[in-house]
Amino acid sequence: KQEVTQIPAALSVPEGENLVLNCSFTDSAIYNLQWFRQDPGKGLTSLLLIQSSQREQTSGRLNASLDKSSGRSTLYIAASQPGDSATYLCAGPWRSEKLVFGKGTKLTVNP
Amino acid sequence: EAGVAQSPRYKIIEKRQSVAFWCNPISGHATLYWYQQILGQGPKLLIQFQNNGVVDDSQLPKDRFSAERLKGVDSTLKIQPAKLEDSAVYLCASSLDRQGTEAFFGQGTRLTVV
Repeated sequence: KQEVTQIPAALSVPEGENLVLNCSFTDSAIYNLQWFRQDPGKGLTSLLLIQSSQREQTSGRLNASLDKSSGRSTLYIAASQPGDSATYLCAGPWRSEKLVFGKGTKLTVNP
Repeated sequence: EAGVAQSPRYKIIEKRQSVAFWCNPISGHATLYWYQQILGQGPKLLIQFQNNGVVDDSQLPKDRFSAERLKGVDSTLKIQPAKLEDSAVYLCASSLDRQGTEAFFGQGTRLTVV
């Protein structure tokens, strides 16, 4: 059974700080890993998709890495801003194809 | 490019009533998913369609939940009768194909069962 764990569950940082969100999974046979952002009362916004053959992806101030052998992915946010405050979720499909999600990390960036 | 459309955004019903949610995926996306997200949890897959065929409905409570995808485009998720524990956000997502392609989500429908 594929399980995804995200630690910490909540994180509060001052504006301008660089930060790392962690995602771990139990099955290394992952097809890809996707990071999402969810604002309160809203749906999920796709941030980055890392294919299993890739090690990392970058978009603006965001950088996501994938290490299949250790069952880990990280989302690095540079120079955090109050607008980055949201819940960040990671998910991966395995052989069953469905996206299996972690519970998310709630990020608060304080001005 | 238009995103995934869902309606309604909010719904409040009494227990034992029925409710239906509608989803229109991104044009050309063959795969459509319905997820249930309970407060404080990550989304959980209810059902996955590939075109108009069901790929995975192993976690769909079939005694009360049903879903269909007509002509491989729009989809409807129905709950009948609703229970208090069905209170959640119901998210629809679509992707171009199955494995390895990016999934895009709608805004969700927040259901409250009282």
